[in-house]
Amino acid sequence: DTGVSQNPRHKITKRGQNVTFRCDPISEHNRLYWYRQTLGQGPEFLTYFQNEAQLEKSRLLSDRFSAERPKGSFSTLEIQRTEQGDSAMYLCASGGLRQNTEAFFGQGTRLTVV
Amino acid sequence: GENVGLHLPTLSVQEGDNSIINCAYSNSASDYFIWYKQESGKGPQFIIDIRSNMDKRQGQRVTVLLNKTVKHLSLQIAATQPGDSAVYFCAENGDGGFKTIFGAGTRLFVKA
Repeated sequence: DTGVSQNPRHKITKRGQNVTFRCDPISEHNRLYWYRQTLGQGPEFLTYFQNEAQLEKSRLLSDRFSAERPKGSFSTLEIQRTEQGDSAMYLCASGGLRQNTEAFFGQGTRLTVV
Repeated sequence: GENVGLHLPTLSVQEGDNSIINCAYSNSASDYFIWYKQESGKGPQFIIDIRSNMDKRQGQRVTVLLNKTVKHLSLQIAATQPGDSAVYFCAENGDGGFKTIFGAGTRLFVKA
């Protein structure tokens, strides 16, 4: 257990529905990341927060995706109008303020859109 | 864009043998590299890291080698055990040292 908690672990939803995932990072970590991982692939970067500021968003993050970290602690990732192509593992990671240090990953939320 | 890739998608080794997993990276500006292990249904787990001012770093049963000349990274696992069976990712930190970019992974099978 890395100390990064994600909920729910699994989510099955019908196409067109909205879903929201939550990530609770290691408490003293300033950095928080969201990644998406499909079967057989490495995690793909989606977005990154430093405290409450969203500093970078990938082109993979379409306008149906939104991430927030309102108080600089937990974060949510919402997907609106889900599509079957959104089915994936959504991973959250957190890290300290220093450059070039490792990120610690949660167990992920497995999303299946039917 | 820049990415980190792997030479072999799968590697099968006998229990007790040493394993070597290779990785090629393309961003010559990267100065921090990490190996992660991912077991089925779990998030990536940090194994070992190395900074670009080093060419070798050792941990417990694992060694990472970095060759900046040819932009190559390798992970060596000594006396491979069944518990080492997993997918291994090399990753690099780009963009100021805060964003980790992953390659596609190598699946390691350990035969008893």
